[in-house]
Amino acid sequence: EPEVTQTPSHQVTQMGQEVILRCVPISNHLYFYWYRQILGQKVEFLVSFYNNEISEKSEIFDDQFSVERPDGSNFTLKIRSTKLEDSAMYFCASSDFGQGNSYEQYFGPGTRLTVT
Amino acid sequence: SQKIEQNSEALNIQEGKTATLTCNYTNYSPAYLQWYRQDPGRGPVFLLLIRENEKEKRKERLKVTFDTTLKQSLFHITASQPADSATYLCALDIYRGSTLGRLYFGRGTQLTVWP
Repeated sequence: EPEVTQTPSHQVTQMGQEVILRCVPISNHLYFYWYRQILGQKVEFLVSFYNNEISEKSEIFDDQFSVERPDGSNFTLKIRSTKLEDSAMYFCASSDFGQGNSYEQYFGPGTRLTVT
Repeated sequence: SQKIEQNSEALNIQEGKTATLTCNYTNYSPAYLQWYRQDPGRGPVFLLLIRENEKEKRKERLKVTFDTTLKQSLFHITASQPADSATYLCALDIYRGSTLGRLYFGRGTQLTVWP
């Protein structure tokens, strides 16, 4: 069964450093998302991406964040200057959003980001 | 403010019984409501979706109801098994054509099924 993959599974970085989290969505999906989950908290939407541009972003997704689809398979989230409060599990998700009448999102296993 | 509440942080039931989880929301008008399962350290896994014009949806041992008047969804697992132990997340999708599937999640209910 096709699945969303994410690398790395765990990233430790120092405050102020840049990190890039990588995702490979399901191949025939067209809609991509990033969510984050701070330990013990709810899953929170960051950004959605379609047709090579951002569709919607939350108030969390400030100028320190950016997303890119550099090629036909990868989808990346970059945090330019990490803060302690960026420590969280970051989930990538993809959806075919209506093709075949399905709206569910398929989540990857997550990248645990620890900022020290 | 917008809020999604799931009935309790933890629910413990005996194997074979029916687990009922509640999701209440305020100040949303979701087009879809979805339920996901999340195991520790893993990503959410889609279980069921119900549309605003549907009252009930079933899939194997799972059943979800959606009452847009009460602003509530109930999620049932019948004949529960220890393998059903996980955190169950309610997620609202307010897609109206201008947003593309942004999900608003509740904090989840941690279900433990004991033998």
